[in-house]
Amino acid sequence: GEDVEQSLFLSVREGDSSVINCTYTDSSSTYLYWYKQEPGAGLQLLTYIFSNMDMKQDQRLTVLLNKKDKHLSLRIADTQTGDSAIYFCAVSNSGNTPLVFGKGTRLSVIA
Amino acid sequence: GAGVSQSPSNKVTEKGKDVELRCDPISGHTALYWYRQRLGQGLEFLIYFQGNSAPDKSGLPSDRFSAERTGESVSTLTIQRTQQEDSAVYLCASRKGLAGSSGANVLTFGAGSRLTVL
Repeated sequence: GEDVEQSLFLSVREGDSSVINCTYTDSSSTYLYWYKQEPGAGLQLLTYIFSNMDMKQDQRLTVLLNKKDKHLSLRIADTQTGDSAIYFCAVSNSGNTPLVFGKGTRLSVIA
Repeated sequence: GAGVSQSPSNKVTEKGKDVELRCDPISGHTALYWYRQRLGQGLEFLIYFQGNSAPDKSGLPSDRFSAERTGESVSTLTIQRTQQEDSAVYLCASRKGLAGSSGANVLTFGAGSRLTVL
């Protein structure tokens, strides 16, 4: 089955850019998502991208997709302390199939 | 309701006891998912309800796990004869209808029910 991998930890200084990486194994994955989880809260959808796109930008967030390498990244510009959270990459191969999640990357922002 | 509501938020139980976890999805959301999040792990899919269709139970880890949903409203996840490895946060998510015109599976998650089995 699909396997989604992420590095577990990332630490950045406030104001720097953060880049969170994700790799997946199923080349038929057509929808790729980034979720954010703050302590004690549910997952919040940040953004998603279709496999026919290479890049999507939404304010401080930039998603890059390298379909050939099955690599997805989330860049957060001007990282703030409020961005400290766990970020999950998730993929699915159709709109209704259950999402397959990575283990999450814990982002720590140092003031 | 305004969001996906789950209860209890925390449950501590003894090994061998049965537990019920409840999810109240956003009103009008026909799709409902249960996921399990073990400490330091990603989310594991458990079960998916879509309207009146037969649920997708392919993620349930054993026959001790079951879930029900009444129409398009509340869902309960039941774990019988709990084991220590069942300790996790159980997350519920809902979606309005089938995947949208964009095709994306945009889910709204609840805050989860943290289960600790002693």
